[in-house]
Amino acid sequence: GAGVSQSPSNKVTEKGKDVELRCDPISGHTALYWYRQRLGQGLEFLIYFQGNSAPDKSGLPSDRFSAERTGESVSTLTIQRTQQEDSAVYLCASSRNAPGIFNYGYTFGSGTRLTVV
Amino acid sequence: DQQVKQNSPSLSVQEGRISILNCDYTNSMFDYFLWYKKYPAEGPTFLISISSIKDKNEDGRFTVFLNKSAKHLSLHIVPSQPGDSAVYFCAASPQGGSEKLVFGKGTKLTVNP
Repeated sequence: GAGVSQSPSNKVTEKGKDVELRCDPISGHTALYWYRQRLGQGLEFLIYFQGNSAPDKSGLPSDRFSAERTGESVSTLTIQRTQQEDSAVYLCASSRNAPGIFNYGYTFGSGTRLTVV
Repeated sequence: DQQVKQNSPSLSVQEGRISILNCDYTNSMFDYFLWYKKYPAEGPTFLISISSIKDKNEDGRFTVFLNKSAKHLSLHIVPSQPGDSAVYFCAASPQGGSEKLVFGKGTKLTVNP
């Protein structure tokens, strides 16, 4: 497809369960990002993949969060032992190498709305 | 500690008038600033950006102004249209060429017909 695709679009899970969120970036975009937006908050950076470089994991809030990306394709964000405070919209974005990002910005997916009950 | 602040959670303007959305930042090392627009149930879409070496960038009805000494930027939309109604996020990039963006909380703009 032409855009960034995320699945599922909505996920309701019980506290303590693990969840896996998927992101398909735009073909040819070497950079991939995960952000989350909790209710009433701005977008919060989680993790950044750039080509074959080691990912920037500095935004992951705890060791319950992890993400993988195979090459320059699909990425999965895994949250283990979910807590209610993990409820948020999880957004994935991809971009071309800099400086393109500053002219064109990221392209975001529509997000996965995660609700932990 | 919020490094990018959008102090107005909402703004309402009349169609045809100017919309001015404001953003303040605290980190003087930010290199680039971007504005994103978000409709409900959709991801944010890139609108316009400005480098820290400039003080103005214009694209059609959208103009972004940067005042480095005040650590302040603003987005002007002229003339405003009902389709501009959305949440607008200000974002900044830390120095070093990092593409990791720091976002504000957003301002919800409503343009009334």
